[in-house]
Amino acid sequence: SAVISQKPSRDICQRGTSLTIQCQVDSQVTMMFWYRQQPGQSLTLIATANQGSEATYESGFVIDKFPISRPNLTFSTLTVSNMSPEDSSIYLCSVVQGPFEKLFFGSGTQLSVL
Amino acid sequence: DAKTTQPTSMDCAEGRAANLPCNHSTISGNEYVYWYRQIHSQGPQYIIHGLKNNETNEMASLIITEDRKSSTLILPHATLRDTAVYYCIVNIQGGSEKLVFGKGTKLTVNP
Repeated sequence: SAVISQKPSRDICQRGTSLTIQCQVDSQVTMMFWYRQQPGQSLTLIATANQGSEATYESGFVIDKFPISRPNLTFSTLTVSNMSPEDSSIYLCSVVQGPFEKLFFGSGTQLSVL
Repeated sequence: DAKTTQPTSMDCAEGRAANLPCNHSTISGNEYVYWYRQIHSQGPQYIIHGLKNNETNEMASLIITEDRKSSTLILPHATLRDTAVYYCIVNIQGGSEKLVFGKGTKLTVNP
């Protein structure tokens, strides 16, 4: 199974600032995704990180707020821009791997915005 | 929206079997049933998946009804470490990017 390293594991940020979250996978993967989990809620897909092209965003999420980079098949970043307290969530990187296309998740980034 | 319905919470005694139900009455013929779990403060973890036959692996068993409108995840001998939120998801194979997580079932295993 894929090993996914996510950094930072947690951060406390001030309103109006931006945070970039890194996701590193130990093997090349085609599909890589970013999820958000708000306090006490389930996971919501933010976007699909596409290698070599712009990310594909889900309804309610826009590139200006959540810019994503995917420079190669093992690495991606998600930036949470111009943060507000409503952005306080866990952000999770995930990849698809294996013959049955199972999802593997990083351990997440716990973000608190003051 | 999630295509599945699960109880909000369940309790189970340590060492006993935990049976977690899931309703997916609108499942289509090419959709699989996937189960994931999320232990507190961790990313979700894949457990098992199936199409129409019952499946078993080292973690759990999956029982799918003949009409495929519901399924049950069975943890045969629950331990305290199985306390987690369990998510039942239906999706076509090859459509992983559109996995929609519902609210899941919070399973608490009690000593």
